[in-house]
Amino acid sequence: AQTVTQSQPEMSVQEAETVTLSCTYDTSESNYYLFWYKQPPSRQMILVIRQEAYKQQNATENRFSVNFQKAAKSFSLKISDSQLGDTAMYFCAFMKHNDKIIFGKGTRLHILP
Amino acid sequence: DGGITQSPKYLFRKEGQNVTLSCEQNLNHDAMYWYRQDPGQGLRLIYYSQIVNDFQKGDIAEGYSVSREKKESFPLTVTSAQKNPTAFYLCASSMEDGNEKLFFGSGTQLSVL
Repeated sequence: AQTVTQSQPEMSVQEAETVTLSCTYDTSESNYYLFWYKQPPSRQMILVIRQEAYKQQNATENRFSVNFQKAAKSFSLKISDSQLGDTAMYFCAFMKHNDKIIFGKGTRLHILP
Repeated sequence: DGGITQSPKYLFRKEGQNVTLSCEQNLNHDAMYWYRQDPGQGLRLIYYSQIVNDFQKGDIAEGYSVSREKKESFPLTVTSAQKNPTAFYLCASSMEDGNEKLFFGSGTQLSVL
């Protein structure tokens, strides 16, 4: 069975700094998708970034980028120039093709003024 | 506007009572999901459905039931057999077209009186 592990339960960084959230996963599949979701205090889940396993190029969305290491089964999220609005729970998630999405337990990120 | 609507936002259950959480989507998505989130925790899959009139148990299906009579609707019933129902419930949907990503509703907070 696939598993997703986020080893950092909680992190704090100063505004404008760069922060990296870790995620590892376990699978024997070769075709799958990886996601980072953000859950701010409103509790609305928001998709931050998505990566297809067959693509070697790391996905980027403005200040958010990933470091996808397929052999190491690692999928970290880097947030550059962090802003107060980035304060949220961040969930890493895995999905093999046409199957359910599995979430990690999350990392609570605090951006300090 | 397309999206996923969950209702009610807050729900209270009495001992021995069944309650039903509503989830409706107008995104024409094939798959729908129910997740449970406990305070400070990740998302655990209760049930999911990839097609009308068919659904599968997730990791924590005991004490819950679902139906998928229409593509747009995927209600979740929390039965009296669920002894610890207090949690935040999230409904999600996705289009299984190679662009897999989950779209979430705004959630229902269920509490026991």
